[in-house]
Amino acid sequence: GAVVSQHPSWVICKSGTSVKIECRSLDFQATTMFWYRQFPKQSLMLMATSNEGSKATYEQGVEKDKFLINHASLTLSTLTVTSAHPEDSSFYICSARDILAIQTDTQYFGPGTRLTVL
Amino acid sequence: SQQGEEDPQALSIQEGENATMNCSYKTSINNLQWYRQNSGRGLVHLILIRSNEREKHSGRLRVTLDTSKKSSSLLITASRAADTASYFCATAQMDSSYKLIFGSGTRLLVRP
Repeated sequence: GAVVSQHPSWVICKSGTSVKIECRSLDFQATTMFWYRQFPKQSLMLMATSNEGSKATYEQGVEKDKFLINHASLTLSTLTVTSAHPEDSSFYICSARDILAIQTDTQYFGPGTRLTVL
Repeated sequence: SQQGEEDPQALSIQEGENATMNCSYKTSINNLQWYRQNSGRGLVHLILIRSNEREKHSGRLRVTLDTSKKSSSLLITASRAADTASYFCATAQMDSSYKLIFGSGTRLLVRP
């Protein structure tokens, strides 16, 4: 089945540093990937749509300069949290849409990355 | 942005009982999907129902969709302790964005 990986699975960093999270589709190609954040006991909030070879589309209220997204290949998207602060601590989850999944509309989710900013 | 609400927010039942979760949404959709999430883990896709479908089954899962009321329900029959998790509905928008907008979720506890 389609597998999406995320790296790292967890990260602890100091306030003011930048953190990069990778999302990879392991056995399929994805022109579109999505980034979500999830606070404890809450739902997933869509942050942005990552499109291979073009700029990401951000949801309202999400700071583009704060959350940098790069989708350089059909199997890799990265989310960089710049100058992280404690309020950025959250669970970040990516999903990927199979380029061949024209009819299924199924997204495959990564296992998530837990970010803790001290 | 969140598409809508799910109720109940939390549900506690005895093993063997059925669990019903409801989801309401706000805009026209292409399809509606249900996902399961164990604590602190990623999401598992359970079932997808298209806007022109009214009911769908998969094993112990039964999903209904009422587009006139903009609502869906997920029924888990003969629940097991291993079904303990959070369940989310997610709606796929009518545009070509393929975005999924998640509901607020239901935390299910199945007591052994």
